[in-house]
Amino acid sequence: NAGVTQTPKFRILKIGQSMTLQCAQDMNHNYMYWYRQDPGMGLKLIYYSVGAGITDKGEVPNGYNVSRSTTEDFPLRLELAAPSQTSVYFCASSYKLQGLGFADTQYFGPGTRLTVL
Amino acid sequence: TQLLEQSPQFLSIQEGENLTVYCNSSSVFSSLQWYRQEPGEGPVLLVTVVTGGEVKKLKRLTFQFGDARKDSSLHITAAQPGDTGLYLCAGLYTGGFKTIFGAGTRLFVKA
Repeated sequence: NAGVTQTPKFRILKIGQSMTLQCAQDMNHNYMYWYRQDPGMGLKLIYYSVGAGITDKGEVPNGYNVSRSTTEDFPLRLELAAPSQTSVYFCASSYKLQGLGFADTQYFGPGTRLTVL
Repeated sequence: TQLLEQSPQFLSIQEGENLTVYCNSSSVFSSLQWYRQEPGEGPVLLVTVVTGGEVKKLKRLTFQFGDARKDSSLHITAAQPGDTGLYLCAGLYTGGFKTIFGAGTRLFVKA
């Protein structure tokens, strides 16, 4: 199993450009997440999905969009890149039983380092 | 806003020393996790604790969950350079749904 894969690893964007960060998992996990990690700030949840066709906002969704058309893929779209979106982006997946108030084990990808100039 | 505070933010020690890092909140957790992240990689789960007062050991790492389930500690015995990394605590609050991450403790162990 490849686990969680992310592409690209690095990207530089100009202000106003758009791009899609790709994320795929081959573990048949129902939950998928997008986080951003800024220096000294920990991981902030951008969006998450509980299954194909279902997505919801996290703590910092502004400026981003997601879709989940299949169990495996969870792309993150930046429409109008801004310098504030310079960060390292992590995708994660987990298997979580519905209604169970127990922390799931999240499996993270290697990250995408994005710089917006 | 629910917060997880980790301390210290940065720790640099010599190989062989012991250390403890802390994770605190004013709210009660239903469970708490510790992840370790190496440079250029995503976090990897080390342990999950769910019972107040619970202690778990993973080789030289000892994890403790506070009796009131508001705090946790990670103790490393005889640190090695391979322990270098960012240690993140992550909590699921009672009645909550999403996991909240702390800012992390960055550990550097010198040979």
